[in-house]
Amino acid sequence: SQQGEEDPQALSIQEGENATMNCSYKTSINNLQWYRQNSGRGLVHLILIRSNEREKHSGRLRVTLDTSKKSSSLLITASRAADTASYFCATVLIYNFNKFYFGSGTKLNVKP
Amino acid sequence: DVKVTQSSRYLVKRTGEKVFLECVQDMDHENMFWYRQDPGLGLRLIYFSYDVKMKEKGDIPEGYSVSREKKERFSLILESASTNQTSMYLCASSPGQGYGNTIYFGEGSWLTVV
Repeated sequence: SQQGEEDPQALSIQEGENATMNCSYKTSINNLQWYRQNSGRGLVHLILIRSNEREKHSGRLRVTLDTSKKSSSLLITASRAADTASYFCATVLIYNFNKFYFGSGTKLNVKP
Repeated sequence: DVKVTQSSRYLVKRTGEKVFLECVQDMDHENMFWYRQDPGLGLRLIYFSYDVKMKEKGDIPEGYSVSREKKERFSLILESASTNQTSMYLCASSPGQGYGNTIYFGEGSWLTVV
């Protein structure tokens, strides 16, 4: 399966600290995306990074992509209690833009 | 804003019942998806549809079927529900072929089979 694997499975930090989550995948991708899921809800898109990009920023989010290692990381800076959620990476393959392969997620708990 | 609406948020069904999960999107998206989410297993694709009446099996299609008679509506059918189908089901949609598409999710349907 192309399904990505996030690491760690769970992360607990204090408000104000940075949170880093990692994603590894298996085959060549067109792009990689990160999504957030609040408890018991649907997923919401956060950021997309293309295969020819190495880093991307959006507000307090920074995403990096290393295609040689088939890995990506999501950094949330200055975390807030409201960032508590599960975070998933999704890969879109080179030969099929229509399918999204999700990992098992990282559960982030930000303590106030 | 894109809206993906799942008709039922919580359902309890009996083993052997036929179950319909309905999903509607309002953005004229070509693609629609049904995922199943279980703790520790992430999201697993059940079925995918890239056009009306067109469908493709995902990773775990066994025990499920789908119907897409209209572009905006994608239904997931459990022909004979079993307890191991107790799960959260997520419907999603995305625009057609295109670099940089993202996927939009509904709020999920929690199904319990007893």
